[in-house]
Amino acid sequence: QVQLVQSGAEVKKPGSSVKVSCKASGGTFSSYTISWVRQAPGQGLEWMGRIIPILGIANYAQKFQGRVTITADKSTSTAYMELSSLRSEDTAVYYCARDIYGDYSGFDYWGQGTLVTVSS
Amino acid sequence: DIVMTQSPDSLAVSLGERATINCKSSQSVLYSSNNKNYLAWYQQKPGQPPKLLIYWASTRESGVPDRFSGSGSGTDFTLTISSLQAEDVAVYYCQQYYSTARTAFGQGTKLEIK
Repeated sequence: QVQLVQSGAEVKKPGSSVKVSCKASGGTFSSYTISWVRQAPGQGLEWMGRIIPILGIANYAQKFQGRVTITADKSTSTAYMELSSLRSEDTAVYYCARDIYGDYSGFDYWGQGTLVTVSS
Repeated sequence: DIVMTQSPDSLAVSLGERATINCKSSQSVLYSSNNKNYLAWYQQKPGQPPKLLIYWASTRESGVPDRFSGSGSGTDFTLTISSLQAEDVAVYYCQQYYSTARTAFGQGTKLEIK
């Protein structure tokens, strides 16, 4: 059974950075892509970007280009999302989600979510 | 980028009745080489991550009740719940992954009991 376990809640100051982790177990990490999706309070789902660990390639939503970095460590089956220059509007629950690379069958497993609060 | 627009934004349906949610993409998500629509539907309940219900527009994910069905092709899609149960109260999202490097979700449809 695949599980994605994310790191704990964070409180950050405006202008700082946050790095959230997503550790995968079960399945074969190198066969996934891992995406990051965020959800501001009371709002919808917003895709931020993804990484294909087997290729080491990351793609980012235009809105977050230059501010987000997604990486993966195949040795520990862990993906990371770092968001910089934080502002209050970045307060949200951040989810990682996986799909099978090349399968195009949607995000079938999700992490539990990590609440990031940006406040002075 | 492909933009996904759902309708309605909210919906109230009586228990046992049919619920229908629509999703329109700004360009076709039909991949012509395999005739698959790269469109998924998710259900999200409060405090939980989204749950995949339907992929390739009409294929139910394993374990999803058969009262949930997806239809449509190209740019217009529908999620139907044939007989609404109390546990179906949730927000539903469509997602295109035709552009996998730029996937996008609809704004969500809140489904409640009338």
